[in-house]
Amino acid sequence: QKEVEQNSGPLSVPEGAIASLNCTYSDRVSQSFFWYRQYSGKSPELIMSIYSNGDKEDGRFTAQLNKASQYVSLLIRDSQPSDSATYLCAVKDNYGQNFVFGPGTRLSVLP
Amino acid sequence: EAGVAQSPRYKIIEKRQSVAFWCNPISGHATLYWYQQILGQGPKLLIQFQNNGVVDDSQLPKDRFSAERLKGVDSTLKIQPAKLEDSAVYLCASSLPGGTKENEQFFGPGTRLTVL
Repeated sequence: QKEVEQNSGPLSVPEGAIASLNCTYSDRVSQSFFWYRQYSGKSPELIMSIYSNGDKEDGRFTAQLNKASQYVSLLIRDSQPSDSATYLCAVKDNYGQNFVFGPGTRLSVLP
Repeated sequence: EAGVAQSPRYKIIEKRQSVAFWCNPISGHATLYWYQQILGQGPKLLIQFQNNGVVDDSQLPKDRFSAERLKGVDSTLKIQPAKLEDSAVYLCASSLPGGTKENEQFFGPGTRLTVL
């Protein structure tokens, strides 16, 4: 049974700070990793995908992957109140077809 | 480009009743997913279609849930009979087939189901 774990939060950071969101997964054959943002009452939207060890940057977002430690993180620089949402980590392997989502971490950026 | 469409947006039923949800994916997206998201949890995949064939339905409670995707476009998810624990948001998503594009899922607005 694949598992994806995240701290449920809430994680509170002041505006302009760096928010760090973490995710661990149990299945070593996982190959694809995703971060989705979900505003309250809305559906998830993809913000980052990462497939190789290391860092991947896209604007204010940086995804970090360490397959040996089975760990993936998302850093949000210069956090804004509009970043306040639940961030979902999702994992996919190359053998199954399905995505497994974590429970999400609720982020609150305080003005 | 139009997004993933779902209807209805909200549904309230009593336990043991039946309910059906409809999804129209983004044009050209061969892969379609149905997820169940219970409040406070991440989405859980119920079923995945590639065109009109089922790729994965391992987590679909087949004694009460059914889904079809006739003609490889629209899809319908049905619950019969509903239980209290089926109260959730039902999300439909679609993606292009093949390669990394297959990983980019676009979600519809969801249907919020309340079972009384």
